Parts: sequence; structure tokens; C-alpha cells
Amino acid sequence: GQQVMQIPQYQHVQEGEDFTTYCNSSTTLSNIQWYKQRPGGHPVFLIQLVKSGEVKKQKRLTFQFGEAKKNSSLHITATQTTDVGTYFCAGPGDAGNMLTFGGGTRLMVKP
Amino acid sequence: NAGVTQTPKFQVLKTGQSMTLQCAQDMNHNSMYWYRQDPGMGLRLIYYSASEGTTDKGEVPNGYNVSRLNKREFSLRLESAAPSQTSVYFCASTAIRGPGNTIYFGEGSWLTVV
Repeated sequence: GQQVMQIPQYQHVQEGEDFTTYCNSSTTLSNIQWYKQRPGGHPVFLIQLVKSGEVKKQKRLTFQFGEAKKNSSLHITATQTTDVGTYFCAGPGDAGNMLTFGGGTRLMVKP
Repeated sequence: NAGVTQTPKFQVLKTGQSMTLQCAQDMNHNSMYWYRQDPGMGLRLIYYSASEGTTDKGEVPNGYNVSRLNKREFSLRLESAAPSQTSVYFCASTAIRGPGNTIYFGEGSWLTVV
């Protein structure tokens, strides 16, 4: 079945530093979604990318979808303590309307 | 805006006990899901229901049963709880598959089996 891998698993940064998490799929994806989960919270949808090579920005967050539609990245510029949490990518699953989630990247920001 | 509501929020069970996690969504979504998340881990799909009247196994279905009671409600049952089922359970829903389709999660149910 389809697998979605995320790296790194954990990342500690100093506040103000940049952060990037990478997502790789074993198969071509029709779209990819990103979610953020704050500590103790539930995953919340951030964005969806559909087109090959697509780049979308949300303030300090930049999302990219690879040309081959098998990888994606999330880059945060000048991290803040409010960015703390786990970031998940997810792609369409093998059947039904399910999503397959990556293992997540846990971001910790030192003030 | 209720969105996805799941109960209970916290539960402690003894090994061998049974319980049902309830989930309801008020967004008229077709598909509903149950995920589990172990500490420091990602989300693993237990069961899903693509539409009312259908249910299918996900990645980790063993030890669980589900019921799609109607379009709004999707329950998860543990017949004989085991310590390995200690986890956070998330119910989620989505409209239909396709671009622009996002998953909405409930706030989670923290289950401890002792």
C-alpha cells in the first residue's frame, strides 16, 4: 500500500530560525494536505496542494508540491513559539476517501 | 460550530472491559474515520466509513468494531480492552474525495487501559 514518509521526526530550533519538514510518497499523489497539531490538541487542516510544482504561502509558511507529485515540503521562516506542534502531511489513501498520514515532524521552539 | 464531537474525552478501562466511543458530525459529511495516535507517533487509521451504510478496515482494525449508525454518527467499540489499546482516539469526517476536500477532526478521546 501507499506509504508517506516524513523527515525529520523531531526538530529543535531557536526562535527566529527557519524550519523545514519534508514529505515523500511511494506513489504519485493527486494532492497533498498539511495539518498542524498543537500539543494536547487535534490535527487542524492547513492547506492542500494539487498541481505539480505548486507553491503556496500562508504568512511565514511556504508549502511546495514536487514536480513529480511524490514529495512536498513545509518551510517556516523565522519560527515563533506559536509554531510549536507536530506537522503532518497526508495524501489520498488506497481506497475510499481515506487519507494516509505521514509520521509527522514535531517542532520545538526555544524562546 | 460544533463540527466533529466525540465522547468521552477521557476514559480509564480495566483490561477486558468493553466500551464505545461515540462520534457525531454536523457538517453533512459523507465519510467518517477513526484514527488512533500513540505518544509521539503519527495517525493510524482504524476503520472508516466512506458513506452511510458502509464500513471498511483501515491499517489497524484488530480489537475494534465500528457502526455507522446514520450519516451523522460513527461509533468505535472496544469489545475487550487491552493495554495495547491505550491511545488517543480521533474521530474525523470529510465531505467527498477530491480537491478541496479536507478532514475535520474531533478533539480526541484519551483512553487508558490498565
